[in-house]
Amino acid sequence: DAKTTQPNSMESNEEEPVHLPCNHSTISGTDYIHWYRQLPSQGPEYVIHGLTSNVNNRMASLAIAEDRKSSTLILHRATLRDAAVYYCILSGSNAGGTSYGKLTFGQGTILTVHP
Amino acid sequence: SQTIHQWPATLVQPVGSPLSLECTVEGTSNPNLYWYRQAAGRGLQLLFYSVGIGQISSEVPQNLSASRPQDRQFILSSKKLLLSDSGFYLCAWTARQGAYGYTFGSGTRLTVV
Repeated sequence: DAKTTQPNSMESNEEEPVHLPCNHSTISGTDYIHWYRQLPSQGPEYVIHGLTSNVNNRMASLAIAEDRKSSTLILHRATLRDAAVYYCILSGSNAGGTSYGKLTFGQGTILTVHP
Repeated sequence: SQTIHQWPATLVQPVGSPLSLECTVEGTSNPNLYWYRQAAGRGLQLLFYSVGIGQISSEVPQNLSASRPQDRQFILSSKKLLLSDSGFYLCAWTARQGAYGYTFGSGTRLTVV
C-alpha cells in the first residue's frame, strides 16, 4: 500500500486558514486521496477526498498537486472545534473501478487551534 | 440516509472471556465493511474487511475473528480475550461501487482486565 507522510503536529489561531500538507510520492494512478479527522474517543470523521482535481465541500478544500505526489487540506477559517488529529490516507481501487478500498492510517497530524 | 450502528460503547471483560462486537449499517446495500482497532495514543490498524456476505479478509494475525452473516451486519469475535486485545474498536463502511468516503461508527472501548 502506498504510504503518506504528514507533520506530527501543527498549530493555528482561531479564524485563520490552516494548510495541512501530505506527501504521497508513491501514489498509484487509481489511488484516491482521503482526509479524515478524529476527536478523542470518537471515530474518524470524513472530511474530503479526491482523485486528480481540487475539491471543495462545506468543511474544507483539497488541493492536489499536478503530479499527485502531494496534497494539502485547507481549512479556510479554523475554529476551536477543528482541533483534532487529521489523517491523510490513500484508498486503492482495483482495475475494474470498484473500490475494495482499504484505508491504511498513519499517525496523522495533531492540529491545535488557539483562541 | 445511511447510518452505522456499533455497540456496546464500552466493555470491560476478564482475560479468557469471549467477545462479540456487532456493527450494522442501514440505508445501503452491498457495503464494504471494515473493523479497525486503535490502541491508546496510536493510529488505526485495519483488522478485517469484507466485500460481501461470508467474505472476510484478515489483515493481521491475531486472537480475533470476524463474520458477516448478513449483508449489513459485521461481527467481531474472540473465543478467549487477551490483555493485548484492549483498545478502541471501530467499524466502518463504504459503498462498493466507486470511491466514496468512509463512514465510521462511534466505536467500542474494550478493556480486558
